[in-house]
Amino acid sequence: GDSVTQMEGPVTLSEEAFLTINCTYTATGYPSLFWYVQYPGEGLQLLLKATKADDKGSNKGFEATYRKETTSFHLEKGSVQVSDSAVYFCALSDRRGGADGLTFGKGTHLIIQP
Amino acid sequence: EAEVAQSPRYKITEKSQAVAFWCDPISGHATLYWYRQILGQGPELLVQFQDESVVDDSQLPKDRFSAERLKGVDSTLKIQPAELGDSAMYLCASSLVDREDTEAFFGQGTRLTVV
Repeated sequence: GDSVTQMEGPVTLSEEAFLTINCTYTATGYPSLFWYVQYPGEGLQLLLKATKADDKGSNKGFEATYRKETTSFHLEKGSVQVSDSAVYFCALSDRRGGADGLTFGKGTHLIIQP
Repeated sequence: EAEVAQSPRYKITEKSQAVAFWCDPISGHATLYWYRQILGQGPELLVQFQDESVVDDSQLPKDRFSAERLKGVDSTLKIQPAELGDSAMYLCASSLVDREDTEAFFGQGTRLTVV
């Protein structure tokens, strides 16, 4: 079945550091890929997405490129801020027969220190 | 701003009791999802509705869990009887249409504790 593997946390960085959170996936079809963010006490929010190979999703300084050859969708940001502290989830949607529910990774807790 | 409404936010119940969660999706959203998120894990899809019809319930433990969306709008997820292992966050999400680039919007969830 489909699965998503992302790097274990917590990841602790200093403000203005470069961020990479690795994500790889396994899917039988051609999935769409997503990064969601969850702030404390809140629901999940879509951060960015890519629907086909070589697409780059970007939002709020974050970006990720859909790499079909390496089945990866790594999240990057050039300069993190304290406000980026949250849990980040990589996810895929492999549409089959109208069912397009998301398969999530376990999440990576990001802590940014001032 | 439109949002997915869930209630209650928190629920404590004794094992073997029945418990129900309610979700009201964003107006006009035909697709509704229920996910379960165990602490420290990613959400896991339990059931997906398209209007009032179930599209996918392959991961729903049907011996104790049931879900309905009778009029294709709001939805109820029920657990009977609750077990200690059901303690988790239950998230509802909705999306506008069944299309590849459609974003799913999540509610704030119901945190269930079974004692």
